[in-house]
Amino acid sequence: AQRVTQPEKLLSVFKGAPVELKCNYSYSGSPELFWYVQYSRQRLQLLLRHISRESIKGFTADLNKGETSFHLKKPFAQEEDSAMYYCALQPQGGSEKLVFGKGTKLTVNP
Amino acid sequence: NAGVTQTPKFRILKIGQSMTLQCTQDMNHNYMYWYRQDPGMGLKLIYYSVGAGITDKGEVPNGYNVSRSTTEDFPLRLELAAPSQTSVYFCASSSGTGGWKGYTFGSGTRLTVV
Repeated sequence: AQRVTQPEKLLSVFKGAPVELKCNYSYSGSPELFWYVQYSRQRLQLLLRHISRESIKGFTADLNKGETSFHLKKPFAQEEDSAMYYCALQPQGGSEKLVFGKGTKLTVNP
Repeated sequence: NAGVTQTPKFRILKIGQSMTLQCTQDMNHNYMYWYRQDPGMGLKLIYYSVGAGITDKGEVPNGYNVSRSTTEDFPLRLELAAPSQTSVYFCASSSGTGGWKGYTFGSGTRLTVV
């Protein structure tokens, strides 16, 4: 079965501190993994995907197939990073369906 | 450029009533999706479509129906609304043509069934 686990419902850090949002997945094939973000009163939007190996807004995420993890990291959190973050897995196949985790609410305190 | 438009934004239904949640995209995307999001839970796929005339069930299709008569529109129909269908509903689309850039989401419809 395909499953995405985000163990932390809530995460609170201070501005300037490092932040790591955890994501673990369960999938027998080679998945594509993504992080989506929803800022207050805004739509869900794509933050980054593992295949592009980008850094967006200072965030990076590395796919660790051995640990089946795709943790999202930022070395210095900013107040504007406060949002809901969802990890998502795209199974192999042609429909581009996504399986989402339950989300982590990140709060960056001043 | 409107992207994905969902209507209505809010709705209260009585048990047993029916309604249609509208979703329209203007990006000529082939793929469209309906997800629901319950409090504290992730998004769960209800139905999806890979093109006009083609729809398929997702993880939680019971109590819902969809149609895709055009590329632009993907309405979600609730028949005989139940309190368990109280949720936030998101429509999304993606190009389905490779070089995938992720989903474009609508703003959501908050539905309460009482």
